[in-house]
Amino acid sequence: NAGVMQNPRHLVRRRGQEARLRCSPMKGHSHVYWYRQLPEEGLKFMVYLQKENIIDESGMPKERFSAEFPKEGPSILRIQQVVRGDSAAYFCASSPSLGDYEQYFGPGTRLTVT
Amino acid sequence: SQQGEEDPQALSIQEGENATMNCSYKTSINNLQWYRQNSGRGLVHLILIRSNEREKHSGRLRVTLDTSKKSSSLLITASRAADTASYFCATDQFNSGGSNYKLTFGKGTLLTVNP
Repeated sequence: NAGVMQNPRHLVRRRGQEARLRCSPMKGHSHVYWYRQLPEEGLKFMVYLQKENIIDESGMPKERFSAEFPKEGPSILRIQQVVRGDSAAYFCASSPSLGDYEQYFGPGTRLTVT
Repeated sequence: SQQGEEDPQALSIQEGENATMNCSYKTSINNLQWYRQNSGRGLVHLILIRSNEREKHSGRLRVTLDTSKKSSSLLITASRAADTASYFCATDQFNSGGSNYKLTFGKGTLLTVNP
């Protein structure tokens, strides 16, 4: 049973380019969460999605960031016109349902903006 | 404000010793979870303790929860060099919609176990 998959593992973008981060949840999990980890910090919640629905995007920056979880395929976190401050590790987690369930995390995508 | 705060920020011990890490939080919680993160890697879920539980064991791990003090501790017994990692506590609270999916993490404790 494969865990949460994220790709790419490392992504380098120049300022102004777009970054696309992909996440495939664990089999049977329909809830996806994205978190961002800045250096030396804990993870910060960004967005919670179910298939074709954004449930809570209260942690997402208002501009340049968007997320989707289509009916088919992985969840995508998209960052447009990246800036140096976007450099961080982005983690995706999934759970089978809401409630008292653990969130299982992927290995993360480390984004470096040069 | 930071919900979870781990203490100490860094801990260095010898193999075979026990390691204790603490976590304090500010608001009422539903669950508290502990995660491990090896350098440059993803998070590994260690244990979940519910707000109505006081203690939980899993292998060499022992977690306690004191909701009156809004604190939790993670004890790793008979530590090994492979336990070297950062350890994070994460809490969830019910929001106005009745859901508790949003995890709030502290900055972590960096544990170094010397062989």
